[in-house]
Amino acid sequence: DTGVSQDPRHKITKRGQNVTFRCDPISEHNRLYWYRQTLGQGPEFLTYFQNEAQLEKSRLLSDRFSAERPKGSFSTLEIQRTEQGDSAMYLCASSTQGPKEYGYTFGSGTRLTVV
Amino acid sequence: TQLLEQSPQFLSIQEGENLTVYCNSSSVFSSLQWYRQEPGEGPVLLVTVVTGGEVKKLKRLTFQFGDARKDSSLHITAAQPGDTGLYLCAGARPGGYQKVTFGTGTKLQVIP
Repeated sequence: DTGVSQDPRHKITKRGQNVTFRCDPISEHNRLYWYRQTLGQGPEFLTYFQNEAQLEKSRLLSDRFSAERPKGSFSTLEIQRTEQGDSAMYLCASSTQGPKEYGYTFGSGTRLTVV
Repeated sequence: TQLLEQSPQFLSIQEGENLTVYCNSSSVFSSLQWYRQEPGEGPVLLVTVVTGGEVKKLKRLTFQFGDARKDSSLHITAAQPGDTGLYLCAGARPGGYQKVTFGTGTKLQVIP
């Protein structure tokens, strides 16, 4: 068990460019979550997958954001036409049997800076 | 809108002191979790409390869930520099919700 892996750890991009992040959850976890965190704040929910199905999306997830989890394994989060307001830490977490009782295991995050 | 408000936002104390962090809401939660996050890393789960009034201890850390399941506290005894970090509470709403909502965070610095 290597934990939750996120790639890349850091990404600097110019405004208007597209970026894609990858998350590899713990292999036996069927639930996968994306959160966004700005400096000094708590993480904000973006979206949630159970296996390959995307079951919930936050209103924070504008139409420039898309997430996929093909085959119910790794997940990608794409941001199109990036804006400076997209600069944040993007956190992926996985869970088994729901986070209510067992909590999340988070990855180390991808720090996005839009210049 | 943050459902969970934490206080204080920032806390700087000397090694050996005691401290309490509070997590408050007007909403009821079916469970509440506490995480610690270090700079540049993801949050790490410390504890989950599920029963109103429940108290859990993790070495020098004591966690309590309010009787009405709307609030929680984290008490650290004899703080050490290794306790430095961002402490986050996170609540799961009753019903079919499959996610947790995070609080605003408390940044703790323990000075040697």
